[in-house]
Formats: sequence, C-alpha cells, structure tokens
Amino acid sequence: EPEVTQTPSHQVTQMGQEVILRCVPISNHLYFYWYRQILGQKVEFLVSFYNNEISEKSEIFDDQFSVERPDGSNFTLKIRSTKLEDSAMYFCASRSYTDTQYFGPGTRLTVL
Amino acid sequence: KQEVTQIPAALSVPEGENLVLNCSFTDSAIYNLQWFRQDPGKGLTSLLLIQSSQREQTSGRLNASLDKSSGRSTLYIAASQPGDSATYLCAVKSGGATNKLIFGTGTLLAVQP
Repeated sequence: EPEVTQTPSHQVTQMGQEVILRCVPISNHLYFYWYRQILGQKVEFLVSFYNNEISEKSEIFDDQFSVERPDGSNFTLKIRSTKLEDSAMYFCASRSYTDTQYFGPGTRLTVL
Repeated sequence: KQEVTQIPAALSVPEGENLVLNCSFTDSAIYNLQWFRQDPGKGLTSLLLIQSSQREQTSGRLNASLDKSSGRSTLYIAASQPGDSATYLCAVKSGGATNKLIFGTGTLLAVQP
C-alpha cells in the first residue's frame, strides 16, 4: 500500500542553522500538508500546498518557514534560522481528491 | 475558533473489553471528522473518516459515530486487544475554505493482556 515517507527520521541542529525536512507524498496525491507536534502537545497545522502554491498557512508559519515542491515527487519544509522552540516532530501529509489525509512517520527535529 | 478535546486523557482496560473514546468540538459547522491512531514516536495512521452528513462509519472492530449538532464523536473499539494500545486522536476539518485538520488532545489507551 502506498505510504508517505519522510527523511530524515531525526535531525539535530544548532540554533540559527537552516534545516530542510523532506517528504515524498503518495504519488497520485495533489494536496500536501505540514503539521508539527511539540512534545506532549497537540498536533498543529502549519501549511497546506496545492497546485504549486500555498493554499493556507497558520500563524506559526512565519517568514522563517517555506515550502517547496522542487520536482514531481518531493515536498520540502525549510526552516531558515532554527530556534529552540522549533524542536518538535514534523509530519507531512497528503491526500487525493478524497478527504482522508495520510500522514508520514515524521521527522523529529531537535534544536540545540 | 474551533477547539477539540478528548476524554478521557488516558484509559487502561483488560483485554477483551469493549470501550468508547470520546471527542468533542466547539463549532458544529464541521466538514468531516477523522480518527487516527498514533504509536509512540511514530506517525499518525488514519482509522476512519466521517463526513458531516454521516452518522457513523465502521471498519472491522472499530465504529465511529458523529453527532454534529451536539459537537461529539465517539470511537467504539470492540473486543480490545493489547495491539490496540496507542494514542487515539480525533481531528476535525471545519466547513468553508479551510484545508487544515484541528486535532484533539488524544486518549492514551493501554489494553492489558
């Protein structure tokens, strides 16, 4: 069964460094999402992406964040200058024209 | 602003018991509601999705119901097994143009053998 994949599974970085989290959505899906979950807290929406542009973003998704679909398969989340509070599990999700969102296994980001 | 809560926060039951997990939301104008399972340190696995026009959905031992007017959904798990131990999350997609899911706080389920 097709799955959303994410790399790396764990990323450790120094505060102020740039990180890129990578996702490969399910191949025939058209809508792409990033969510994050700070340890012990709810899963929070960051951004949705459709037709090569951001369709919606949360107030968390400020100028330090960007998303890109550089080719037909990858979907990336870039954090330009990481902060301690960016430490979280980041989930990528995708869906087709149906409503069910399928989530990847997540990337655990640790900012030191 | 939509708020989603889940009760109880944690639940421990003996194997074989039937159980109900609860999810409530403050704004009844939802488009759909999705139940997920999350294993420790892992991603979210979609279990069931209920559209706003539906009352329930079933998959195997799982049955999810939706009462939109009262802002509630329940996930019923029949004949629980130790392998059902996980955190269960509900998430709503509100009506209108939004794409995002708003998640609840989760219920941590432990099924004792």
